[in-house]
Amino acid sequence: DAGVTQSPTHLIKTRGQQVTLRCSPKSGHDTVSWYQQALGQGPQFIFQYYEEEERQRGNFPDRFSGHQFPNYSSELNVNALLLGDSALYLCASRRPGQGIREQYFGPGTRLTVT
Amino acid sequence: AQTVTQSQPEMSVQEAETVTLSCTYDTSESDYYLFWYKQPPSRQMILVIRQEAYKQQNATENRFSVNFQKAAKSFSLKISDSQLGDAAMYFCAYRAPYGQNFVFGPGTRLSVLP
Repeated sequence: DAGVTQSPTHLIKTRGQQVTLRCSPKSGHDTVSWYQQALGQGPQFIFQYYEEEERQRGNFPDRFSGHQFPNYSSELNVNALLLGDSALYLCASRRPGQGIREQYFGPGTRLTVT
Repeated sequence: AQTVTQSQPEMSVQEAETVTLSCTYDTSESDYYLFWYKQPPSRQMILVIRQEAYKQQNATENRFSVNFQKAAKSFSLKISDSQLGDAAMYFCAYRAPYGQNFVFGPGTRLSVLP
């Protein structure tokens, strides 16, 4: 059973460019969340997708957008990249239902903006 | 808004000894979930242990246990018989019962000395 997968592993972009990161959730999971983890800090919540809709959003500008596909995979798009967008981007998924339902994380995509 | 604080940026422990990592949080909710995640240099966030606030009994997972003090809003992690593989960043995380996102603390870097 594959866990959460993310692509690419590393990415280097230039200021002002656009980037798309991809995530496939763990089998049986339907909810995907994205987090930004700056160097030396804890992950910060960007947004969450469920049933192909954005359900919750953290304190991130509209330059950050996403999408969820019918197979539950998800994309994170960042437009007009800034140097401050350099970070590890983590995707996490969880299974349907109520209760504690911990999130399972992917290995992350390291984005460097130059 | 909920916040999570980890007051120890770095900790070290001798192999086979016991170490306790501190976490405090702020919330007005009476029911919620708490987690400890481990992030080794490989970047993969791994769930260590979880606790439901309505359960008075402290969670344990093999060498890992928590001391959950609800009134004090404290959730410390105890690692017994520390092993070299325990060296990592440890993040405390909070999730509200109907909220969808996790709130993470800034992390504690644990070193295990041979």
